[in-house]
Amino acid sequence: KAGVTQTPRYLIKTRGQQVTLSCSPISGHRSVSWYQQTPGQGLQFLFEYFSETQRNKGNFPGRFSGRQFSNSRSEMNVSTLELGDSALYLCASSLGPRGPKNIQYFGAGTRLSVL
Amino acid sequence: GENVEQHPSTLSVQEGDSAVIKCTYSDSASNYFPWYKQELGKRPQLIIDIRSNVGEKKDQRIAVTLNKTAKHFSLHITETQPEDSAVYFCAASSGNTGKLIFGQGTTLQVKP
Repeated sequence: KAGVTQTPRYLIKTRGQQVTLSCSPISGHRSVSWYQQTPGQGLQFLFEYFSETQRNKGNFPGRFSGRQFSNSRSEMNVSTLELGDSALYLCASSLGPRGPKNIQYFGAGTRLSVL
Repeated sequence: GENVEQHPSTLSVQEGDSAVIKCTYSDSASNYFPWYKQELGKRPQLIIDIRSNVGEKKDQRIAVTLNKTAKHFSLHITETQPEDSAVYFCAASSGNTGKLIFGQGTTLQVKP
């Protein structure tokens, strides 16, 4: 069974641009969560999606948004990029959001560099 | 707010020794506690997890203990090997959400 797939693996953007990252969960997984990883802040929760609905959102500005499609694939978008948005963006999928189903498996991440 | 504190930030042990990493959580509603291992340039990998209805769980050389009263949980690695060298993250979440709150990570170095 294929793991969590994130595309692209690397991105270089300039300040003010916007970016869209994609995540394909493990087959059969319906929950997708996104995290930002930086050396200074560690792993921080961005959003959680289940059945095309955002169930939770972390403490990030409105420039960060996401969505989930009917096939459980998810995208996140960052508009008006800032230098501080440079990070590794990780996606994790699980069978569901609750109880024994909420074991999360991570993708390899998208490394975003904002110049 | 929700917070998970992890100690130590770095840990160096000799091969064959044991390593212990400790985490404390603030949200009393937390009931799921996974541990992830992240090697340099790779994705976080789940190595063991525990739920609040269990006090201890073992998987070969790895064990996790949970003290709900004190709101802390620990990772124990016995007979460490050089390939155990990595960054280890603890996390906590409540059972109704996939939102994981992570500790700051522990860099474990196992010296041959």
